[in-house]
Amino acid sequence: DAKTTQPPSMDCAEGRAANLPCNHSTISGNEYVYWYRQIHSQGPQYIIHGLKNNETNEMASLIITEDRKSSTLILPHATLRDTAVYYCIVRVAGDNNNDMRFGAGTRLTVKP
Amino acid sequence: DAGVTQSPTHLIKTRGQQVTLRCSPKSGHDTVSWYQQALGQGPQFIFQYYEEEERQRGNFPDRFSGHQFPNYSSELNVNALLLGDSALYLCASSWRPAGREKLFFGSGTQLSVL
Repeated sequence: DAKTTQPPSMDCAEGRAANLPCNHSTISGNEYVYWYRQIHSQGPQYIIHGLKNNETNEMASLIITEDRKSSTLILPHATLRDTAVYYCIVRVAGDNNNDMRFGAGTRLTVKP
Repeated sequence: DAGVTQSPTHLIKTRGQQVTLRCSPKSGHDTVSWYQQALGQGPQFIFQYYEEEERQRGNFPDRFSGHQFPNYSSELNVNALLLGDSALYLCASSWRPAGREKLFFGSGTQLSVL
């Protein structure tokens, strides 16, 4: 699986959009980009995933660059409850295992 | 609909002891994976159980073993505990091995080895 690079920490004002970047320059054509987050004292929570098209769900939007070497997770209106560690993971679609390669992630702090 | 449940939530052991952690998957799920999360790091994959067999294993020694029961629940056993085994142990479940499916995680068991 391709390696990902994320900034260790970011701040965001409550009510503003939080844009979390992820670099995955060695991504292969059959690898998806996944985002999970982990709120303190809880297990990771799935947010969104995509292959090459932009994706949106009730939690967030995922923007993947045309060359697929980087992506951005967007939380459109961050709240204090969005304070968490956000993990960007790249893995092969159809991998017959649950081995998600979590890195250190980005610690997002939403401030009032 | 109950999510992934783990027990106990906290546990304190001493070096050399053995420990058993338990996990019940989300309703409708049949695959369970275990992860270890050291302080300040992301979770690391230990192994995965499907159809009561270990299907995939991460880079963990044989001291780490597991079991899956016919009702899909699972146990993680760690023998000869070391101080370095102190961590949050997370259980994740899915319907079949994940592929493109998302994983659902429990809140974990915090293990402290003294």
